[in-house]
Amino acid sequence: AQSVTQPDIHITVSEGASLELRCNYSYGATPYLFWYVQSPGQGLQLLLKYFSGDTLVQGIKGFEAEFKRSQSSFNLRKPSVHWSDAAEYFCAVRDTGFQKLVFGTGTRLLVSP
Amino acid sequence: GAGVSQSPSNKVTEKGKDVELRCDPISGHTALYWYRQSLGQGLEFLIYFQGNSAPDKSGLPSDRFSAERTGGSVSTLTIQRTQQEDSAVYLCASSPNQSRQETQYFGPGTRLLVL
Repeated sequence: AQSVTQPDIHITVSEGASLELRCNYSYGATPYLFWYVQSPGQGLQLLLKYFSGDTLVQGIKGFEAEFKRSQSSFNLRKPSVHWSDAAEYFCAVRDTGFQKLVFGTGTRLLVSP
Repeated sequence: GAGVSQSPSNKVTEKGKDVELRCDPISGHTALYWYRQSLGQGLEFLIYFQGNSAPDKSGLPSDRFSAERTGGSVSTLTIQRTQQEDSAVYLCASSPNQSRQETQYFGPGTRLLVL
């Protein structure tokens, strides 16, 4: 069965500093990978997705992610974090059956002044 | 256009009562998903609809949980004889179809508290 691991439960980053959130997946074939963000009291918003092609994917709000098959990773990055980026971030893989999403446990990002 | 909407936003109920949660998907979206987000279990899949049929109910935790979708649009998730462990945020998502490339668009969720 597919699974997603986000090893960091919490991360604190200074405003203006760079960010990398880790995501590892377990999947036999080419995975369909997603990053979602959830602000307090809000639903999930898609940041970016990867299916095939260029392994560096650009998303909204200045985020990017790089797919590395050899490491089974799909890490999310941002060069300069803003206070409004404070939220919870979820990595997910798409199931091959009926296309449900399998989520990681999430990483809560705190941004310090 | 309007996104996915869910009602109520919050629901407080007593143990043993039944509750109904509603999801209005984006117009024209044929695929609809229910997920549950709880402290102990994270984000977990409950059920998937394609049109009015539910080919994947594998995530429903017990037979107290059921869902239906009518007219290929609105869906209702019903929890009978609620238990405290049912307390969670119930999220609904829709997508244009079931293609793997399609984005699932999420609603704001219904926060359920069972006392």
